[in-house]
Amino acid sequence: GQNIDQPTEMTATEGAIVQINCTYQTSGFNGLFWYQQHAGEAPTFLSYNVLDGLEEKGRFSSFLSRSKGYSYLLLKELQMKDSASYLCAVTDSNYQLIWGAGTKLIIKP
Amino acid sequence: NAGVTQTPKFRVLKTGQSMTLLCAQDMNHEYMYWYRQDPGMGLRLIHYSVGEGTTAKGEVPDGYNVSRLKKQNFLLGLESAAPSQTSVYFCASTHSGDTGELFFGEGSRLTVL
Repeated sequence: GQNIDQPTEMTATEGAIVQINCTYQTSGFNGLFWYQQHAGEAPTFLSYNVLDGLEEKGRFSSFLSRSKGYSYLLLKELQMKDSASYLCAVTDSNYQLIWGAGTKLIIKP
Repeated sequence: NAGVTQTPKFRVLKTGQSMTLLCAQDMNHEYMYWYRQDPGMGLRLIHYSVGEGTTAKGEVPDGYNVSRLKKQNFLLGLESAAPSQTSVYFCASTHSGDTGELFFGEGSRLTVL
């Protein structure tokens, strides 16, 4: 079966750095997405990786290793507004998006 | 730009009642999707459409029907609501079905008693 694994919840301190991991087992791979979802709101796009390596976008970076079936989202200089759930999703060989259950990130002052 | 708009935002139904959720997008996107989101689970695809007049089943289509009569609108219908359909429903659209960023509506919270 197809599976996306992420930690259920993480806690970090304002100003610090946090890494949210995502491992996947899917039938084929055509790209990996990270979305941010604040409580009670819609998911919003953060990043897309299709090749191995690190993609940096401001305070957020996303890394992909296709051979390991692994990605991480790195958040630097954490702010209180970063408290949200972070969703990992993989496009499989049929171009269907498979979603992880999300990681709830709690930022403490 | 409004982006993706869903109506209604909240609804309470009794078992057996029917209802329709409306999704409208003003970005001229070809691809539209209906997802449900339940606690502790990833988003699950109900139905999707790759263009006006086309629809296809997703991962959890049972108990739902959809229509895409106009490119900008994607309707999700529940013919006979069941408590298992209590969920938050999200509509999304994108310009590219495989690599495109999804744009989501604000969500519709449905409770079936």
